[in-house]
Amino acid sequence: AQSVTQLDSHVSVSEGTPVLLRCNYSSSYSPSLFWYVQHPNKGLQLLLKYTSAATLVKGINGFEAEFKKSETSFHLTKPSAHMSDAAEYFCVVSVNSGYSTLTFGKGTMLLVSP
Amino acid sequence: DGGITQSPKYLFRKEGQNVTLSCEQNLNHDAMYWYRQDPGQGLRLIYYSQIVNDFQKGDIAEGYSVSREKKESFPLTVTSAQKNPTAFYLCASQLRGSGNTIYFGEGSWLTVV
Repeated sequence: AQSVTQLDSHVSVSEGTPVLLRCNYSSSYSPSLFWYVQHPNKGLQLLLKYTSAATLVKGINGFEAEFKKSETSFHLTKPSAHMSDAAEYFCVVSVNSGYSTLTFGKGTMLLVSP
Repeated sequence: DGGITQSPKYLFRKEGQNVTLSCEQNLNHDAMYWYRQDPGQGLRLIYYSQIVNDFQKGDIAEGYSVSREKKESFPLTVTSAQKNPTAFYLCASQLRGSGNTIYFGEGSWLTVV
């Protein structure tokens, strides 16, 4: 079985300051990990994914995440927040276990103030 | 363009009615999923299908039904047995394999009136 914990339900930053959204996971298998962003009343858009290649993954819009197996973490970062980054972010773990392969975190709402 | 199309975007249902949400994909994906999203609860899995003519219940299947007669289509019926159906519904698809990207539709809002 696998699980995902997003450690903050809300994160508030000022425009131009760094962003850190935290995600911890547990999995009995080697996981693939994803970060998705959701703007209001929209579907989820892929930001980046880790699939056992490089542990530092770069995504769209300046986001990146580092897979740390020893810490079972996959935190999402961005050096400088933009107003358009305000949205909800989901961490997802996927394993090929034959059952439901996708497990979602409960989401982190990112608020960006001017 | 390839993608997932959900319809309708907004739907109102009277109590006691069944309604069907459409999900079509032209990505040639094997797996398709239906999720329900409520504020503060993330996404919860309703049903999923890995292959045509086969589907499995997710965590909150009660009051819902699906079919998978074609690879491209995975409609969700919200039945009158679903006591609290007002929510945002998301359809997703994926090539089989844990590292493959999951693609989402734009979602459908269902409101009971």
